[in-house]
Amino acid sequence: DSGVTQTPKHLITATGQRVTLRCSPRSGDLSVYWYQQSLDQGLQFLIQYYNGEERAKGNILERFSAQQFPDLHSELNLSSLELGDSALYFCASSPSIVSRTDTQYFGPGTRLTVL
Amino acid sequence: AQSVTQLDSHVSVSEGTPVLLRCNYSSSYSPSLFWYVQHPNKGLQLLLKYTSAATLVKGINGFEAEFKKSETSFHLTKPSAHMSDAAEYFCVVSDNTDKLIFGTGTRLQVFP
Repeated sequence: DSGVTQTPKHLITATGQRVTLRCSPRSGDLSVYWYQQSLDQGLQFLIQYYNGEERAKGNILERFSAQQFPDLHSELNLSSLELGDSALYFCASSPSIVSRTDTQYFGPGTRLTVL
Repeated sequence: AQSVTQLDSHVSVSEGTPVLLRCNYSSSYSPSLFWYVQHPNKGLQLLLKYTSAATLVKGINGFEAEFKKSETSFHLTKPSAHMSDAAEYFCVVSDNTDKLIFGTGTRLQVFP
């Protein structure tokens, strides 16, 4: 158990809808990362927050947004969902801002299915 | 831009035999390199990391990897495979903006 929790575990929704994925980092970790894992794109970094501020952006679509709250939990919002958004979404956390050397601790993931 | 190439998408070994998972990286400066493992229906777990200290890095569960700058490689090895090692393994490089860039993964099968 990494100490990172994600809810829900599974999510099934329809095209055009909006969903929110939630992540609670390990106690004491200030950085939260979001990743998308799909069969065709592999594992891709989406976005990083550090202590409430956006720190780095990856291949995140404009339809997707995230935020990190004062209690350090984070939410990833996915809107106008398309079939291709079906994937496993991981959250990870680390103690500091420097992901180059930090160990990232991954949650179990949220499996999103868009029908 | 930095990248990693995992040379084998699938590797099959017998229990008790050595494991070799190959990874080559491309980087314009000194990289940080990681190996993560993903068991079925689970999140990713760090096996080991190289961050410009010792070139031979020991990780959890008997795995180790050697950073070879001249060969731009960071292969993962284990002397004796166990059934519980069956999983997907990802080689990861950290780029100059601190983002993690994942390889495409190597699925390790271990036969009894």
